[in-house]
Amino acid sequence: DVKVTQSSRYLVKRTGEKVFLECVQDMDHENMFWYRQDPGLGLRLIYFSYDVKMKEKGDIPEGYSVSREKKERFSLILESASTNQTSMYLCASSLTTPLGPQHFGDGTRLSIL
Amino acid sequence: DAKTTQPNSMESNEEEPVHLPCNHSTISGTDYIHWYRQLPSQGPEYVIHGLTSNVNNRMASLAIAEDRKSSTLILHRATLRDAAVYYCILSERGNAGKSTFGDGTTLTVKP
Repeated sequence: DVKVTQSSRYLVKRTGEKVFLECVQDMDHENMFWYRQDPGLGLRLIYFSYDVKMKEKGDIPEGYSVSREKKERFSLILESASTNQTSMYLCASSLTTPLGPQHFGDGTRLSIL
Repeated sequence: DAKTTQPNSMESNEEEPVHLPCNHSTISGTDYIHWYRQLPSQGPEYVIHGLTSNVNNRMASLAIAEDRKSSTLILHRATLRDAAVYYCILSERGNAGKSTFGDGTTLTVKP
């Protein structure tokens, strides 16, 4: 089974801090994704990557950046955390050929105080 | 991006079949139809996907309309563990499988 592991289940940070959320997958998937999930707004795509060092903006990239230096790892970075970035963050990965389903981690619940 | 429309909520009795509908009238020829479900405090879990033909797996069946503008996820015998939010999404084959999640359908299963 595909395993997508997010580094923390819960995280509390302060406004203005630089925050790193890490995601690792063990199935050699080309594609990786970062979403945030908020009540009433569903899952919204922040960034995705289809190869090492490649990244594409999703629907809500403002305030975030990403890094993909190795195929198995996709990092989400909050350059200067703000309270409106308090949310559940979900990472996923998938194959390109054939186009496979996305496999999700269990999420990181991030609180910015 | 092509979007999907699902009912906000549905109810079912345990051990009865459940048909969860999804409309995707702006689907393109290369979009895959994926279904996921999300249990409380977990990430979404893949259920099934298809392109044109109906699909079956151990979890569910997917019935796709001939014009591909709608689909139905079928749970043949609902159990209490099937209570979850079910998402129908379209994955863009030419764009790393980028998907747009809607609000999903909250399925309640009554004993």
